[in-house]
This record gives sequence, C-alpha cells and structure tokens, in this order.
Amino acid sequence: QQQVKQSPQSLIVQKGGIPIINCAYENTAFDYFPWYQQFPGKGPALLIAIRPDVSEKKEGRFTISFNKSAKQFSLHIMDSQPGDSATYFCAASMRGGGSQGNLIFGKGTKLSVKP
Amino acid sequence: NAGVTQTPKFQVLKTGQSMTLQCAQDMNHNSMYWYRQDPGMGLRLIYYSASEGTTDKGEVPNGYNVSRLNKREFSLRLESAAPSQTSVYFCASSVEQGYNSPLHFGNGTRLTVT
Repeated sequence: QQQVKQSPQSLIVQKGGIPIINCAYENTAFDYFPWYQQFPGKGPALLIAIRPDVSEKKEGRFTISFNKSAKQFSLHIMDSQPGDSATYFCAASMRGGGSQGNLIFGKGTKLSVKP
Repeated sequence: NAGVTQTPKFQVLKTGQSMTLQCAQDMNHNSMYWYRQDPGMGLRLIYYSASEGTTDKGEVPNGYNVSRLNKREFSLRLESAAPSQTSVYFCASSVEQGYNSPLHFGNGTRLTVT
C-alpha cells in the first residue's frame, strides 16, 4: 500500500513528441506528488509537484495531470527536446510526523529524446 | 554556494572492508537523508535525520550506520561491506523533514564492493 508504481521503465521519443510517464498509488493518505528529474552522473532535482486539490499543473513545457478517483498521476512533456533526456521519478508522501512524511519514489523512467 | 557535497565520488571496496561516506550541506537545512539507487529499484531511503541530534531508519537500513555530526554533516558508515551494497549512494537535505519540503540531492557516491 506504500508503493508508487511507475511506467514505462524506458521511453524513446522523437524531438517535438510528447512523452507521457504514468504513476499509480494505493494509499489514499498520500497528498503530495512531486516529480524529480535526474541527468546522468547527477543527483535528482525537483521538477514539478502537485497536490490532489487540483487536476492539472503546468510549469513551462512540463504538465502534471492528476486523477484522484483513479489514484493516478502523470507527467507530460510538451515539445520534447534532446536536453530533456533524463531519468524521471514520481514520488508521493503524506502529512504526519516521523517516517510518514518521507517520500516514496517510483522506480524511474529513462527518457531518451532523439534529434 | 555548493549545496550538498558528497565525498568520495567513487570507491571500490573488498568484501568485509569498512568505509564512511561523507555528506555536507551549506543551505542551513534541518533534515538530511541517505538514499541508495539501484537499476530498476528507484531511490530507497536508508536512514534520515529529521533534525540535528536525531536519526531514524528508513526502508533499507540493514548493514549501515549513520552519524549526524552537526547541522551541516551527515555520514553513512558501512562496517563490513558486502557485494549487495554495490550501489550509487545519494545524500539529500531539506528545510524540514518530510511532507512538502523539497529534497536537494548531492551528485552521489558510486560504490563497488568486490
């Protein structure tokens, strides 16, 4: 119930395409859903985050769509560029003290955008 | 402003050897974390320190110990390294522990245990 399931494991798109990465969760107590972006040889960095009181959030070319009833959320990258090639992790956490507030990460999606 | 600094960047150990991974942050963050990243396994929390003076186990603590030396520094120790501990280790920090507080990661230590 604490898992966040992420798919696909890897994704290849052409420049200008719209890659979509999906995540699903079971624990309805989760109420914070960030996405992290990791370039080769670097640590992950926060890309964008959403709370379940909104169904969509956009930051530049990156959009999170959130479906509370289905317990799913997804990342869309508009007009993808070779520089977007990276590994993307979804995550979830809940309010509360102790370990409850720690992020639970999906297993990651390696995105390759071909020129 | 370096952010989160990890040392060393690479390390090769033989089974049974010990070592300490060092981490320091200069953002005045209260909370610090150690994760390991393995292919197809995502990021798994080893230990965390919600504030100076406290440490707690994460998802995969076995075989590791930690020390929160001061507000800036959080070290991870492998007392007797095993091949299963071959991984990339990331240190992270955040303003506060948990919910809604973004993690800032270092660039990792790649550890190989032979």
